[in-house]
Amino acid sequence: AQSVTQLDSQVPVFEEAPVELRCNYSSSVSVYLFWYVQYPNQGLQLLLKYLSGSTLVKGINGFEAEFNKSQTSFHLRKPSVHISDTAEYFCAVSYMEYGNKLVFGAGTILRVKS
Amino acid sequence: KAGVTQTPRYLIKTRGQQVTLSCSPISGHRSVSWYQQTPGQGLQFLFEYFSETQRNKGNFPGRFSGRQFSNSRSEMNVSTLELGDSALYLCASSPTVSGANVLTFGAGSRLTVL
Repeated sequence: AQSVTQLDSQVPVFEEAPVELRCNYSSSVSVYLFWYVQYPNQGLQLLLKYLSGSTLVKGINGFEAEFNKSQTSFHLRKPSVHISDTAEYFCAVSYMEYGNKLVFGAGTILRVKS
Repeated sequence: KAGVTQTPRYLIKTRGQQVTLSCSPISGHRSVSWYQQTPGQGLQFLFEYFSETQRNKGNFPGRFSGRQFSNSRSEMNVSTLELGDSALYLCASSPTVSGANVLTFGAGSRLTVL
């Protein structure tokens, strides 16, 4: 079964500190991986994606993620967070044979404190 | 380029009624997907349409249905509303059907069932 696990439901962090949001997926076939961000009362916005190639992918707003096939992980990182990064972050996976269907993790709420 | 437009943004219905939500994709995008977002179940895939054909369907009862028109606009309908149907319904569009596509999401339609 396709599933995505986000290991932390909430991550509090002080401004300018580094952060890592963890994501693991279950699959034995090729997958495409995404991180989306959702601000209050808004839809989802793409942060970054891994389709193939380099396992380190860079996204918008200084975020990056590393694809680790052996550990089936796709953790999101940012070296220095800002108050404006406070939002909910979703890891998602898709499979070539299932078209655009995304399977989402439960989400991680990032709370940046001053 | 205009984004994905969902209407209405907010609506309140009572149990037993039906509701129709509309989604206008980005110009040129032929795939439209729908997702339900609730605090308890998170983001769940409802269905995907491409060129007026349903390509994929999630695990929802038959009360949930959708369609796509020749201009790629899509509607979803929920009949005989239940309290548990209260949710944010998100529409996403993409150019084609491929797991490697980036989905662009609308702001959502927030349905409250009383």
